[in-house]
Amino acid sequence: DAGITQSPRYKITETGRQVTLMCHQTWSHSYMFWYRQDLGHGLRLIYYSAAADITDKGEVPDGYVVSRSKTENFPLTLESATRSQTSVYFCASRVGGLGQSSYNEQFFGPGTRLTVL
Amino acid sequence: DAKTTQPTSMDCAEGRAANLPCNHSTISGNEYVYWYRQIHSQGPQYIIHGLKNNETNEMASLIITEDRKSSTLILPHATLRDTAVYYCIVRGYSTLTFGKGTMLLVSP
Repeated sequence: DAGITQSPRYKITETGRQVTLMCHQTWSHSYMFWYRQDLGHGLRLIYYSAAADITDKGEVPDGYVVSRSKTENFPLTLESATRSQTSVYFCASRVGGLGQSSYNEQFFGPGTRLTVL
Repeated sequence: DAKTTQPTSMDCAEGRAANLPCNHSTISGNEYVYWYRQIHSQGPQYIIHGLKNNETNEMASLIITEDRKSSTLILPHATLRDTAVYYCIVRGYSTLTFGKGTMLLVSP
């Protein structure tokens, strides 16, 4: 199916464990993004990628690792999960182009709800 | 990116127009105004964007003041399915910075 998908949709893990959240898009969009959403903070950008093998930190990158070996995939890894990383994680993608563009809509996935015990 | 200010919440009767304001007094000349919404538990959804001129699409209209310091998103005939958090974002470059948005509650 075309679109952007995230897996798993729900995950419970324990403190100290490594967790990888997957994001896959079928549009060949250049840009991909990872956000987390917590009550009282809204959506905050963790990492983003402008193309395969190019990644940049967002607002809250600490504790997270990303990679982008293929255009369509953008996994997010919590190398040693902490309780403060309990959150809903959203992946998004958009077409490429730096600077202002007249149309630069981000498409969001359905989210992954992660609980760290 | 310029900071935006939105009311925390608003109410609207079903079938009436919903007018959601946004202040962005520090917006610079090349920054676009984007509106997204997030229905409960779903990922955000793009609504509309604009630079200087008013814009309209199948979902909404965007009115930007002449000095570009504020804008209004208009849902012309709100339905119950329009109940969501609406985010006004001023985008300067590659990324979007989401604030807390306005919780719009559409009631029968």
